[in-house]
Amino acid sequence: AAGVIQSPRHLIKEKRETATLKCYPIPRHDTVYWYQQGPGQDPQFLISFYEKMQSDKGSIPDRFSAQQFSDYHSELNMSSLELGDSALYFCASSSQGKAHYGYTFGSGTRLTVV
Amino acid sequence: AQTVTQSQPEMSVQEAETVTLSCTYDTSESDYYLFWYKQPPSRQMILVIRQEAYKQQNATENRFSVNFQKAAKSFSLKISDSQLGDAAMYFCAYRGGGADGLTFGKGTHLIIQP
Repeated sequence: AAGVIQSPRHLIKEKRETATLKCYPIPRHDTVYWYQQGPGQDPQFLISFYEKMQSDKGSIPDRFSAQQFSDYHSELNMSSLELGDSALYFCASSSQGKAHYGYTFGSGTRLTVV
Repeated sequence: AQTVTQSQPEMSVQEAETVTLSCTYDTSESDYYLFWYKQPPSRQMILVIRQEAYKQQNATENRFSVNFQKAAKSFSLKISDSQLGDAAMYFCAYRGGGADGLTFGKGTHLIIQP
């Protein structure tokens, strides 16, 4: 079965650079969620989108922005990168109205800021 | 704000034995959902089991079952007949009825001794 696809798997950036992470949800899933997991930490909810509109917002820094496109894929844009942004970034997807069944997570993008 | 507490940073169990991971949460909501996610060394977040707060019956998925005590705000995970493949970090997660984001606990590292 198709899963949530995230690209790239690994990314190395320097401080103050910009990064773009991509997420392709499971077919027919219309809602995507972004999470940040620092080293040895639990995942923190950043933001979610449903039908290209922001649905819910968590602890996303102002330097980050995200959007969902008409094909339901989503991109997380991160600017002015800081060392503390080094983390595993997960995308998850679900069908609206069925999120209580649990999300399906992608394998994550590991971002390293040097 | 909701909080999720996992009081056991690490647990160890012999293969084929039973282990219980504890989770408590704090909320003022009556409608919510609870989840257990497994994160093996591959870092993929895998849904293990879920529970709707309005359901009194404890959820069960093969060797995995929960003990949901709503009044006590407790949601423990029991793994029967532990297998080497069960070794992973286990996260308890909460989702409010009107929210998108999951609130995770700090996780319990489960070690399976052969």
